[in-house]
Amino acid sequence: GAGVSQSPSNKVTEKGKDVELRCDPISGHTALYWYRQSLGQGLEFLIYFQGNSAPDKSGLPSDRFSAERTGGSVSTLTIQRTQQEDSAVYLCASRLRTDTQYFGPGTRLTVL
Amino acid sequence: EDKVVQSPLSLVVHEGDTVTLNCSYEVTNFRSLLWYKQEKKAPTFLFMLTSSGIEKKSGRLSSILDKKELFSILNITATQTGDSAVYLCAGFSQGNTPLVFGKGTRLSVIA
Repeated sequence: GAGVSQSPSNKVTEKGKDVELRCDPISGHTALYWYRQSLGQGLEFLIYFQGNSAPDKSGLPSDRFSAERTGGSVSTLTIQRTQQEDSAVYLCASRLRTDTQYFGPGTRLTVL
Repeated sequence: EDKVVQSPLSLVVHEGDTVTLNCSYEVTNFRSLLWYKQEKKAPTFLFMLTSSGIEKKSGRLSSILDKKELFSILNITATQTGDSAVYLCAGFSQGNTPLVFGKGTRLSVIA
């Protein structure tokens, strides 16, 4: 597709359940980033992937968070045993050679 | 620790006004500064600045970077209600590091 796509656009879950969020980057983009934006806050880095290198997981807030990127394209962010503080908009971005990151529409996660 | 600070945090103006949004940064191995506009969820790219003193312009929006004083400004002239959004500033380091974002400036343009 022309841009970064994410699914689902909205997800409501109960505390303690696992969720999976999906990101389809722009075709050919080698770098993929996950960010989180809580209400009224700036974007918080979570994890990024660059080509076949090991991902940089330094932003993941706890071991309940994990992500993978299959075949250098689609990425899935998994949150296990969700907590209410996980409620946020999860944004994915991709880039190729320039510094510009292009963002998807995000997934709004609500944990009840 | 790298950080980006934006000011003001929020701003309310009338249509036709000119606004200036500020961004200061402390980013190790700084390479570029990016501005995004966020209306609903997805930030949309506005400008990328790498060199001091060179203004980038797109319609009524313009931006400039000062690498000596470590700040950037985003100007919007003749504001319209469609300019209402959160404007995000982000610093980028050498390599494939993630962007370091400020908290944003929420601009509200009223008719």
